[in-house]
Amino acid sequence: ELKVEQNPLFLSMQEEKNYTIYCNYSTTSDRLYWYRQDPGKSLESLFVLLSNGAVKQEGRLMASLDTKARLSTLHITAAVHDLSATYFCAVRPAQTGANNLFFGTGTRLTVIP
Amino acid sequence: GAGVSQSPSNKVTEKGKDVELRCDPISGHTALYWYRQSLGQGLEFLIYFQGNSAPDKSGLPSDRFSAERTGGSVSTLTIQRTQQEDSAVYLCASSLRLGGNYEQYFGPGTRLTVT
Repeated sequence: ELKVEQNPLFLSMQEEKNYTIYCNYSTTSDRLYWYRQDPGKSLESLFVLLSNGAVKQEGRLMASLDTKARLSTLHITAAVHDLSATYFCAVRPAQTGANNLFFGTGTRLTVIP
Repeated sequence: GAGVSQSPSNKVTEKGKDVELRCDPISGHTALYWYRQSLGQGLEFLIYFQGNSAPDKSGLPSDRFSAERTGGSVSTLTIQRTQQEDSAVYLCASSLRLGGNYEQYFGPGTRLTVT
């Protein structure tokens, strides 16, 4: 069974600091997604990473993918309070017929003024 | 345009009762997914539908769970004889087609509490 692990599970960081969230997965994947979830809200898609070495950036967030290491990172630059949320990575297995996503347990980020 | 909608937003039920959760996908989306998010956990896949094809039920945790999709649009997830461990947020998502090339758009979820 595909396992997706995120770390850290909880992250408290000061504004203007940088940090990285890690997502490891256990089998070959051809799609990796990052989502944001605010309390009581649904998931908002942030990034879709499709190939080894893919890097995408939006504002203070940058996501990268290393398919050989089965690792994706979400890097936060100069954090601001608005980034406080829970971040999930999700993986779609590469095998034929796999259509559902496997999610990590999430990283709850709190940005402190 | 309108996103994925779900109803009810909150449901409190007594152990042993049956519940029905509804999902309205984005118009034109042929693929529909149900996930469950338990407290402090990631999302757990339950079932998906593609058009009128037979659904993939491989994620359903027990035979108390079932889902149907009428007319290729609205879907209902039914939990019979609810148990306390069924308490979770049930999220529905839809995509234009099935498969990783198509992004899944999530609804706001139904928070189910079994007392």
